[in-house]
Amino acid sequence: GAGVSQSPSNKVTEKGKDVELRCDPISGHTALYWYRQSLGQGLEFLIYFQGNSAPDKSGLPSDRFSAERTGGSVSTLTIQRTQQEDSAVYLCASSLRTGVQETQYFGPGTRLLVL
Amino acid sequence: AQSVTQLGSHVSVSEGALVLLRCNYSSSVPPYLFWYVQYPNQGLQLLLKYTSAATLVKGINGFEAEFKKSETSFHLTKPSAHMSDAAEYFCAVSLNTGGFKTIFGAGTRLFVKA
Repeated sequence: GAGVSQSPSNKVTEKGKDVELRCDPISGHTALYWYRQSLGQGLEFLIYFQGNSAPDKSGLPSDRFSAERTGGSVSTLTIQRTQQEDSAVYLCASSLRTGVQETQYFGPGTRLLVL
Repeated sequence: AQSVTQLGSHVSVSEGALVLLRCNYSSSVPPYLFWYVQYPNQGLQLLLKYTSAATLVKGINGFEAEFKKSETSFHLTKPSAHMSDAAEYFCAVSLNTGGFKTIFGAGTRLFVKA
């Protein structure tokens, strides 16, 4: 079946503008994760949706970042008033179940460049 | 604090040579350990994972890793490198601390020379 998809694949924006990044997880996967990958860095955890439970937002770097997951499927990561340091690749992943043993399946990412 | 350290941001090997990518972790609770690979312009995909069963874990594409608790290590190996193995490799640790916590290493880029 289809894997995790993300859109857009690339986004260039001006400092101060808002951006929305979309993630379509694998159908039937209950858990969804957002990460940020900066140049030369590992993956930085942002937020985790775990089924119907409240999301774990502990990784969001500031209140300019927010995310929602509608209907337990598609998720949108929103960055308000973008800054140049927000430039990175934003990766979405999903897993069949919640739990630390679960394999995460990653999308190709959205490359965000803030000018 | 929990952490993951990958020794060497870049590793270069000749085709046919042994691949060894190092990963050490620190954790106060039993960890679940993963290796993911990222090919250019693609998302990460799982190579293998350790979930407290056998300490020697075999993954896809001929890779394997051994969990050594005494050394807090989970090094990734492959006996004979292939050109197609050139990619970035990430070690990750997930911790059952009552909430979600997966920590990724900074990654090691593997170059394979003909």
